[in-house]
Amino acid sequence: ELKVEQNPLFLSMQEGKNYTIYCNYSTTSDRLYWYRQDPGKSLESLFVLLSNGAVKQEGRLMASLDTKARLSTLHITAAVHDLSATYFCAVARTTSGTYKYIFGTGTRLKVLA
Amino acid sequence: DSGVTQTPKHLITATGQRVTLRCSPRSGDLSVYWYQQSLDQGLQFLIQYYNGEERAKGNILERFSAQQFPDLHSELNLSSLELGDSALYFCASSSSDRSDYGYTFGSGTRLTVV
Repeated sequence: ELKVEQNPLFLSMQEGKNYTIYCNYSTTSDRLYWYRQDPGKSLESLFVLLSNGAVKQEGRLMASLDTKARLSTLHITAAVHDLSATYFCAVARTTSGTYKYIFGTGTRLKVLA
Repeated sequence: DSGVTQTPKHLITATGQRVTLRCSPRSGDLSVYWYQQSLDQGLQFLIQYYNGEERAKGNILERFSAQQFPDLHSELNLSSLELGDSALYFCASSSSDRSDYGYTFGSGTRLTVV
């Protein structure tokens, strides 16, 4: 069974600081996604990582994928208050011809001014 | 507006009742996915349809069912509702059954069972 774990679950950080959110998954997968969710809102797609060593950056967020370690990271550089949200990783896997997409537990980020 | 439309936005109903949640995918998308988000269970995959056919099933209860119609909109039917079914139900869509670009999520339906 595919399991996806994120850590930390909660993260409170000061503006201007750097931090990394980790996403571990239990079986092989060919793609990994990062999403952002604001409280009471829908999920917004941030990154799609399709291969080992993939790195993508958008503003203060950078995501990377190591398929051999079954690990993805979301690095936050010089955090600002607007980044406060819950971040989810999701892993996709094909099983018996069907395609399953499992979300991690989420990391609730609070950036303090 | 993401292009994925879910109705209603809020629903309050009593235990034992039946409700139908509706989702219209983004224009051109053939796949529809349903997710349940609750505080204790996180984001749980329920079911996926692709071009009218069921493609994948997740942790969907037998009391729940879904379908995708020829116009590609989808409905999630929840019956014999229990208090624990209270959650945010999201619909997402993608152009294929393997999305290279992630899914586009709707704004969700908040279901409260009293």
